[in-house]
Amino acid sequence: EAEVAQSPRYKITEKSQAVAFWCDPISGHATLYWYRQILGQGPELLVQFQDESVVDDSQLPKDRFSAERLKGVDSTLKIQPAELGDSAMYLCASSLVAGTSYNEQFFGPGTRLTVL
Amino acid sequence: AQSVTQLGSHVSVSEGALVLLRCNYSSSVPPYLFWYVQYPNQGLQLLLKYTSAATLVKGINGFEAEFKKSETSFHLTKPSAHMSDAAEYFCAVSRSGSARQLTFGSGTQLTVLP
Repeated sequence: EAEVAQSPRYKITEKSQAVAFWCDPISGHATLYWYRQILGQGPELLVQFQDESVVDDSQLPKDRFSAERLKGVDSTLKIQPAELGDSAMYLCASSLVAGTSYNEQFFGPGTRLTVL
Repeated sequence: AQSVTQLGSHVSVSEGALVLLRCNYSSSVPPYLFWYVQYPNQGLQLLLKYTSAATLVKGINGFEAEFKKSETSFHLTKPSAHMSDAAEYFCAVSRSGSARQLTFGSGTQLTVLP
């Protein structure tokens, strides 16, 4: 069964360091989402891509976060510099196309980030 | 803007008892509604979804939910809890439209007691 792949699964870093997370969506899925899930809360959308274009990054803290999906397939989320408050689970999801009918979002296993 | 409220951050039931997890939504347009389950250190798995067809929706693992517009609710139920149901459950809402973004509730941790 096709799955969304994410790496690394766990990352420990010190504040002010740079970190990067990688996501490989299900083959053929045009829409890719990055979510941040703080412990004890629900996921919150950071950025949404349609192919290689950003559809919505209104909740992405652009002073330190960046995301790219250069060839419209896999994606990288970067934080530089990391802050203590960035400790969270970072989830990637993909769906076929965010069009006029519903398309299910499939989630990867996430990357657990701890900033010391 | 749409939002969901999950009543009860922790719910405990005995094995074999009814599971009821509550979710109320707020949306200015007809919503799509979802329940996801998350096991420790894993991603989210879709349990079921309401997309304006039948108001009683059946999902995986014996779960079901009923969309009640008059009560703006979408509560999740299962007749008989199993130990393997212990997990965190999230209700989410999405607008019909091109963006398809999900807005999640804060989650309910379900504990199943032997």
